[in-house]
Amino acid sequence: DAGVIQSPRHEVTEMGQEVTLRCKPISGHDYLFWYRQTMMRGLELLIYFNNNVPIDDSGMPEDRFSAKMPNASFSNLKIQPSEPRDSAVYFCASSLEARVGVGELFFGEGSRLTVL
Amino acid sequence: RKEVEQDPGPFNVPEGATVAFNCTYSNSASQSFFWYRQDCRKEPKLLMSVYSSGNEDGRFTAQLNRASQYISLLIRDSKLSDSATYLCVVINSNSGYALNFGKGTSLLVTP
Repeated sequence: DAGVIQSPRHEVTEMGQEVTLRCKPISGHDYLFWYRQTMMRGLELLIYFNNNVPIDDSGMPEDRFSAKMPNASFSNLKIQPSEPRDSAVYFCASSLEARVGVGELFFGEGSRLTVL
Repeated sequence: RKEVEQDPGPFNVPEGATVAFNCTYSNSASQSFFWYRQDCRKEPKLLMSVYSSGNEDGRFTAQLNRASQYISLLIRDSKLSDSATYLCVVINSNSGYALNFGKGTSLLVTP
């Protein structure tokens, strides 16, 4: 079975440009999470969805960040305009309703973003 | 102050050694605890849950101390393949399923 699929794997962009990161969760999973990882701050939860509905977006840094989940098989995270401090690895993860409470998240390989 | 704190290490140990990591959490409403493993430049993967009574999975033992608000991971007979970063993870009862990750402890097992 395919795991969580993220694209692009790497993106280099210039400050001020719009960035769109994409995620396809594992089929049948009810929960989808977006995390950001940096050396300084570790893994930070940005937002998570349950059945395509955003449940907690308190980790979204500011209005420049937005995330949508239009259907059960796709989510995107947009940054507009991007800034150098947004440089990080962005991970998407998904989980089943029955397994999320026991911490079983399946992560994608991540999207490494560099903003110059 | 981050809610989940870990010693970043690195812990350098020889093959066959026993090594232990601790993790402290600040929110007394924390209800669920886990250890994840992350290899260099890879995604995190669930290693094991941590139960109140402590639990073991092969060479790995996890313990929870609610009174002192810390969890631990013990690795016995360490292998070269155990080299990775170990992330402590907490879910708080008042924050749904927001898994809260520590920054990780780096382990390097040497021949």
